[in-house]
Amino acid sequence: DIQMTQSPSSLSASVGDRVTLTCRASQGISNYLAWYQQKPGKVPKLLIYAASTLQSGVPSRFSGSGSGTDFTLTITSLQPEDVASYYCQKYNSALLTFGGGTKVDIK
Amino acid sequence: QLQLQESGPGLVKPSETLSLTCTVSGGSISSSRYYWGWIRQPPGKGLEWIGSIYYSGTTYYNPSLKSRVTMSVDTSKNQFSLKLTSVTAADTAVYYCARRPDYSGWYPFDYWGQGTLVTVSS
Repeated sequence: DIQMTQSPSSLSASVGDRVTLTCRASQGISNYLAWYQQKPGKVPKLLIYAASTLQSGVPSRFSGSGSGTDFTLTITSLQPEDVASYYCQKYNSALLTFGGGTKVDIK
Repeated sequence: QLQLQESGPGLVKPSETLSLTCTVSGGSISSSRYYWGWIRQPPGKGLEWIGSIYYSGTTYYNPSLKSRVTMSVDTSKNQFSLKLTSVTAADTAVYYCARRPDYSGWYPFDYWGQGTLVTVSS
């Protein structure tokens, strides 16, 4: 089974900061990597798929990159409404795996 | 607008079977363009994929849960269901149903239900 590891598990940053989250797959998954945002008490929301394609309606301050085993989610200018947990997910087959998540707070 | 709604008991006794249904509105569950899935999230923890089902009834399960999980689809009611047997407190979680497109390639879940909390307790 392919394992997905996210780092850090949590981070605090100031409004306006550039924030980078990392996701690593235990085996290569090409670009079959998605990022979800889950605000406190809310349903997960698809942010990015195919490692770097923004889902419709997602602000352009979010971007994704990577291929193979190493992926990043970047928020170029952190906003108060970005406080959330972020999960990566590999989907290169019928079997799916989520990473453990990164919790992002405002400092 | 596509909507998914989970329903089922909010409290299940240990060793019994958890049963949930997801009702899809605003779209057809019989479309060959989508898989339908279940995901759960224990309180304060991360997301775990449980399984997925195609309208034809083809299923895919998380290997860690496979021995206890059964999913089914009822196209006449535009619903799909989850059964999880021999539950313990570790199965306490918010259970989400979701849609996964199959546009001649793999895609992640794009629409999710609101989730339903299932507590396992005597």
